[in-house]
Amino acid sequence: AQSVTQPDIHITVSEGASLELRCNYSYGATPYLFWYVQSPGQGLQLLLKYFSGDTLVQGIKGFEAEFKRSQSSFNLRKPSVHWSDAAEYFCAVGATGGSYIPTFGRGTSLIVHP
Amino acid sequence: DGGITQSPKYLFRKEGQNVTLSCEQNLNHDAMYWYRQDPGQGLRLIYYSQIVNDFQKGDIAEGYSVSREKKESFPLTVTSAQKNPTAFYLCASRPGGSSNQPQHFGDGTRLSIL
Repeated sequence: AQSVTQPDIHITVSEGASLELRCNYSYGATPYLFWYVQSPGQGLQLLLKYFSGDTLVQGIKGFEAEFKRSQSSFNLRKPSVHWSDAAEYFCAVGATGGSYIPTFGRGTSLIVHP
Repeated sequence: DGGITQSPKYLFRKEGQNVTLSCEQNLNHDAMYWYRQDPGQGLRLIYYSQIVNDFQKGDIAEGYSVSREKKESFPLTVTSAQKNPTAFYLCASRPGGSSNQPQHFGDGTRLSIL
């Protein structure tokens, strides 16, 4: 069975500082991986996705993520955080087999200090 | 613009009452999903549907029901059997077929008990 772990429930950074949110997955084959962002009271917005090829993927809002097969990780990074980046971030492993059911991590809440 | 519309944004339920949450998409997606979101618990799958007139239970289906009579619509009914319905409910959709397509999400409905 596939699973996703986001080990950090909360992350606090200062505005302008760099950011890395961790995501570890368990999956039997090459995974399809996603990062979503959720602002309070809203739905999830796709930040970026990895299917195959280049292991460093660029997304919207200046985010990037790196797929590391040897570490079963797909960490999200941003070189300089803005106050508007404060939100909940979810990592997800793409659907498997015929059920097409993605698995989500529990989320990491990002707090940005001015 | 195509997207997913959830209504209402806020909903209040009285004791013993059934309530229905609406989800409509104009993305021509085959698959649709309902998730429940509670603080600190991420997204939990309630029901999903891969094609019209077919749906499957997710991890927490008890106390909920759905229908999929039209491709664009996937309403969720929270029945009186659901004893703790207070939560944020998210509807999602994705194209059918290949498992590497991400989900698109609506903006959610917040359900509270009166």
